[in-house]
Amino acid sequence: QKEVEQDPGPLSVPEGAIVSLNCTYSNSAFQYFMWYRQYSRKGPELLMYTYSSGNKEDGRFTAQVDKSSKYISLFIRDSQPSDSATYLCAMTGGTSYGKLTFGQGTILTVHP
Amino acid sequence: DAGVTQSPTHLIKTRGQHVTLRCSPISGHKSVSWYQQVLGQGPQFIFQYYEKEERGRGNFPDRFSARQFPNYSSELNVNALLLGDSALYLCASSLTPGKAGYTFGSGTRLTVV
Repeated sequence: QKEVEQDPGPLSVPEGAIVSLNCTYSNSAFQYFMWYRQYSRKGPELLMYTYSSGNKEDGRFTAQVDKSSKYISLFIRDSQPSDSATYLCAMTGGTSYGKLTFGQGTILTVHP
Repeated sequence: DAGVTQSPTHLIKTRGQHVTLRCSPISGHKSVSWYQQVLGQGPQFIFQYYEKEERGRGNFPDRFSARQFPNYSSELNVNALLLGDSALYLCASSLTPGKAGYTFGSGTRLTVV
Protein backbone atom coordinates (compact mmCIF):
# COMPACT_ATOMS: atom_id res chain seq x y z
CA GLN A 1 0.00 0.00 0.00
CA LYS A 2 1.29 3.44 -0.93
CA GLU A 3 1.70 6.00 1.84
CA VAL A 4 -0.35 8.53 -0.14
CA GLU A 5 -3.21 7.56 -2.43
CA GLN A 6 -4.68 9.92 -5.01
CA ASP A 7 -7.24 9.16 -7.69
CA PRO A 8 -5.43 9.74 -10.99
CA GLY A 9 -8.63 10.66 -12.82
CA PRO A 10 -8.71 12.01 -15.42
CA LEU A 11 -11.30 14.51 -14.31
CA SER A 12 -13.16 16.60 -16.91
CA VAL A 13 -15.48 19.44 -15.88
CA PRO A 14 -17.18 22.40 -17.57
CA GLU A 15 -15.94 25.91 -16.95
CA GLY A 16 -17.40 27.36 -13.76
CA ALA A 17 -17.79 24.01 -12.00
CA ILE A 18 -16.60 23.29 -8.46
CA VAL A 19 -13.78 20.76 -8.48
CA SER A 20 -12.96 18.47 -5.58
CA LEU A 21 -9.58 16.73 -5.44
CA ASN A 22 -8.73 14.29 -2.68
CA CYS A 23 -5.91 12.29 -1.13
CA THR A 24 -5.76 9.74 1.64
CA TYR A 25 -2.64 8.81 3.57
CA SER A 26 -1.51 6.20 6.05
CA ASN A 27 1.34 7.88 7.96
CA SER A 28 -0.15 9.55 11.03
CA ALA A 29 3.11 11.49 11.57
CA PHE A 30 2.47 13.70 8.56
CA GLN A 31 1.87 17.28 9.75
CA TYR A 32 2.38 19.51 6.71
CA PHE A 33 0.10 19.11 3.73
CA MET A 34 0.54 20.69 0.33
CA TRP A 35 -1.13 20.91 -3.03
CA TYR A 36 0.93 21.47 -6.15
CA ARG A 37 -0.20 22.22 -9.69
CA GLN A 38 1.89 20.89 -12.56
CA TYR A 39 1.47 21.94 -16.15
CA SER A 40 2.75 19.67 -18.90
CA ARG A 41 6.54 19.48 -19.02
CA LYS A 42 6.92 21.91 -16.11
CA GLY A 43 7.88 21.57 -12.47
CA PRO A 44 5.24 21.48 -9.73
CA GLU A 45 4.03 24.87 -8.48
CA LEU A 46 2.97 25.22 -4.85
CA LEU A 47 -0.71 26.23 -4.55
CA MET A 48 -1.59 25.72 -0.91
CA TYR A 49 -0.07 24.37 2.27
CA THR A 50 -1.69 23.59 5.59
CA TYR A 51 -0.26 22.66 8.94
CA SER A 52 -2.17 19.97 10.84
CA SER A 53 -5.98 19.85 10.59
CA GLY A 54 -8.22 22.62 9.39
CA ASN A 55 -9.18 24.69 6.39
CA LYS A 56 -7.29 27.29 4.42
CA GLU A 57 -8.68 29.50 1.70
CA ASP A 58 -6.85 31.44 -1.02
CA GLY A 59 -9.00 33.02 -3.68
CA ARG A 60 -10.81 30.28 -5.58
CA PHE A 61 -8.87 27.54 -3.77
CA THR A 62 -9.72 25.92 -0.43
CA ALA A 63 -7.60 23.23 1.21
CA GLN A 64 -9.01 20.99 3.93
CA VAL A 65 -7.16 18.56 6.18
CA ASP A 66 -8.86 15.97 8.39
CA LYS A 67 -6.09 14.22 10.31
CA SER A 68 -8.53 11.98 12.18
CA SER A 69 -9.59 10.45 8.85
CA LYS A 70 -6.17 10.89 7.18
CA TYR A 71 -7.89 12.69 4.34
CA ILE A 72 -7.09 15.95 2.56
CA SER A 73 -8.99 17.84 -0.10
CA LEU A 74 -8.56 20.73 -2.48
CA PHE A 75 -11.60 22.57 -3.77
CA ILE A 76 -11.48 24.84 -6.80
CA ARG A 77 -14.42 27.20 -7.23
CA ASP A 78 -15.43 28.75 -10.55
CA SER A 79 -12.96 26.57 -12.40
CA GLN A 80 -11.29 28.04 -15.49
CA PRO A 81 -9.69 26.43 -18.55
CA SER A 82 -6.37 27.73 -17.23
CA ASP A 83 -6.84 25.42 -14.23
CA SER A 84 -6.34 22.43 -16.54
CA ALA A 85 -3.26 20.68 -15.17
CA THR A 86 -2.15 17.80 -12.98
CA TYR A 87 -2.75 18.37 -9.27
CA LEU A 88 -0.43 16.69 -6.80
CA CYS A 89 -0.94 16.34 -3.09
CA ALA A 90 2.21 16.15 -0.97
CA MET A 91 2.94 15.82 2.72
CA THR A 92 5.78 15.64 5.22
CA GLY A 93 6.38 15.30 8.93
CA GLY A 94 7.66 13.03 11.67
CA THR A 95 10.66 10.95 10.62
CA SER A 96 9.92 11.97 7.04
CA TYR A 97 10.58 15.58 7.97
CA GLY A 98 12.00 17.36 4.95
CA LYS A 99 11.04 14.63 2.51
CA LEU A 100 7.88 15.26 0.52
CA THR A 101 5.72 12.22 -0.17
CA PHE A 102 3.51 12.81 -3.20
CA GLY A 103 0.32 11.28 -4.46
CA GLN A 104 0.12 10.02 -8.03
CA GLY A 105 -1.50 13.23 -9.27
CA THR A 106 -4.96 13.93 -10.69
CA ILE A 107 -5.26 15.14 -14.28
CA LEU A 108 -7.88 17.89 -14.49
CA THR A 109 -9.36 19.31 -17.68
CA VAL A 110 -11.72 22.30 -17.56
CA HIS A 111 -13.46 22.75 -20.88
CA PRO A 112 -15.04 26.04 -22.00
CA ASP B 1 14.31 37.16 -8.61
CA ALA B 2 15.37 34.00 -10.36
CA GLY B 3 13.61 30.82 -9.32
CA VAL B 4 15.18 27.40 -9.11
CA THR B 5 17.21 26.80 -12.25
CA GLN B 6 18.11 23.39 -13.58
CA SER B 7 20.39 22.37 -16.39
CA PRO B 8 20.28 20.90 -18.88
CA THR B 9 16.57 20.95 -19.73
CA HIS B 10 16.74 17.84 -21.88
CA LEU B 11 19.27 15.06 -22.15
CA ILE B 12 19.55 11.80 -24.10
CA LYS B 13 22.01 9.18 -22.87
CA THR B 14 22.84 5.59 -23.73
CA ARG B 15 22.51 2.71 -21.29
CA GLY B 16 25.59 2.34 -19.12
CA GLN B 17 26.62 5.98 -19.41
CA HIS B 18 26.94 8.51 -16.60
CA VAL B 19 24.96 11.73 -16.23
CA THR B 20 25.31 14.88 -14.11
CA LEU B 21 22.35 17.17 -13.50
CA ARG B 22 22.72 20.61 -11.98
CA CYS B 23 20.54 22.82 -9.82
CA SER B 24 20.83 26.39 -8.57
CA PRO B 25 18.47 27.18 -5.68
CA ILE B 26 16.66 30.43 -5.04
CA SER B 27 19.01 33.00 -3.57
CA GLY B 28 19.12 32.58 0.20
CA HIS B 29 17.78 29.03 0.16
CA LYS B 30 20.16 26.59 1.81
CA SER B 31 18.28 23.35 1.30
CA VAL B 32 18.12 21.46 -1.98
CA SER B 33 16.20 18.27 -2.66
CA TRP B 34 16.10 16.01 -5.70
CA TYR B 35 13.07 14.09 -6.98
CA GLN B 36 12.48 11.67 -9.82
CA GLN B 37 9.16 11.82 -11.63
CA VAL B 38 8.30 9.00 -13.99
CA LEU B 39 5.57 9.74 -16.54
CA GLY B 40 2.13 9.44 -14.96
CA GLN B 41 3.43 9.27 -11.38
CA GLY B 42 4.09 11.73 -8.59
CA PRO B 43 7.67 12.77 -7.82
CA GLN B 44 9.74 10.35 -5.74
CA PHE B 45 12.25 11.65 -3.20
CA ILE B 46 15.91 10.93 -3.98
CA PHE B 47 18.08 13.18 -1.77
CA GLN B 48 17.99 16.20 0.46
CA TYR B 49 20.97 18.42 1.26
CA TYR B 50 21.17 21.21 3.78
CA GLU B 51 24.24 23.26 4.56
CA LYS B 52 26.23 20.96 2.26
CA GLU B 53 25.39 17.84 4.25
CA GLU B 54 23.12 14.99 3.19
CA ARG B 55 20.02 15.09 5.38
CA GLY B 56 17.92 12.43 3.72
CA ARG B 57 18.07 9.71 1.12
CA GLY B 58 15.21 7.95 -0.62
CA ASN B 59 14.96 4.36 -1.78
CA PHE B 60 17.29 4.63 -4.75
CA PRO B 61 20.34 2.48 -5.60
CA ASP B 62 23.91 3.57 -4.95
CA ARG B 63 24.21 4.49 -8.62
CA PHE B 64 22.55 7.74 -7.56
CA SER B 65 24.68 10.27 -5.71
CA ALA B 66 24.58 13.99 -5.08
CA ARG B 67 26.44 16.82 -3.47
CA GLN B 68 25.92 20.43 -2.49
CA PHE B 69 28.50 23.13 -3.03
CA PRO B 70 29.47 26.10 -0.81
CA ASN B 71 27.19 28.37 -2.89
CA TYR B 72 24.32 25.91 -2.15
CA SER B 73 24.00 24.75 -5.75
CA SER B 74 23.80 21.01 -6.20
CA GLU B 75 24.61 18.18 -8.57
CA LEU B 76 22.85 14.85 -9.01
CA ASN B 77 24.95 12.10 -10.53
CA VAL B 78 23.66 8.82 -11.92
CA ASN B 79 26.06 6.07 -12.98
CA ALA B 80 25.50 3.02 -15.17
CA LEU B 81 22.26 4.38 -16.60
CA LEU B 82 19.35 2.01 -17.11
CA LEU B 83 16.32 2.45 -19.36
CA GLY B 84 14.24 2.77 -16.20
CA ASP B 85 16.13 5.90 -15.21
CA SER B 86 14.30 7.79 -17.95
CA ALA B 87 12.29 10.42 -16.10
CA LEU B 88 11.90 14.08 -15.23
CA TYR B 89 14.41 14.97 -12.52
CA LEU B 90 13.25 17.80 -10.32
CA CYS B 91 15.18 19.99 -7.94
CA ALA B 92 13.44 21.82 -5.11
CA SER B 93 14.86 24.48 -2.84
CA SER B 94 13.74 25.83 0.51
CA LEU B 95 15.12 28.07 3.25
CA THR B 96 15.40 25.12 5.60
CA PRO B 97 14.39 21.47 5.42
CA GLY B 98 10.92 20.45 6.39
CA LYS B 99 7.63 22.30 6.68
CA ALA B 100 6.44 23.71 3.40
CA GLY B 101 7.63 26.33 0.98
CA TYR B 102 9.48 24.06 -1.40
CA THR B 103 9.96 25.68 -4.80
CA PHE B 104 10.59 23.38 -7.73
CA GLY B 105 12.55 23.98 -10.88
CA SER B 106 11.23 22.99 -14.30
CA GLY B 107 13.29 19.83 -14.25
CA THR B 108 15.68 17.95 -16.49
CA ARG B 109 14.07 15.44 -18.79
CA LEU B 110 16.41 12.47 -19.09
CA THR B 111 15.89 9.86 -21.78
CA VAL B 112 18.01 6.71 -21.68
CA VAL B 113 18.13 4.73 -24.93
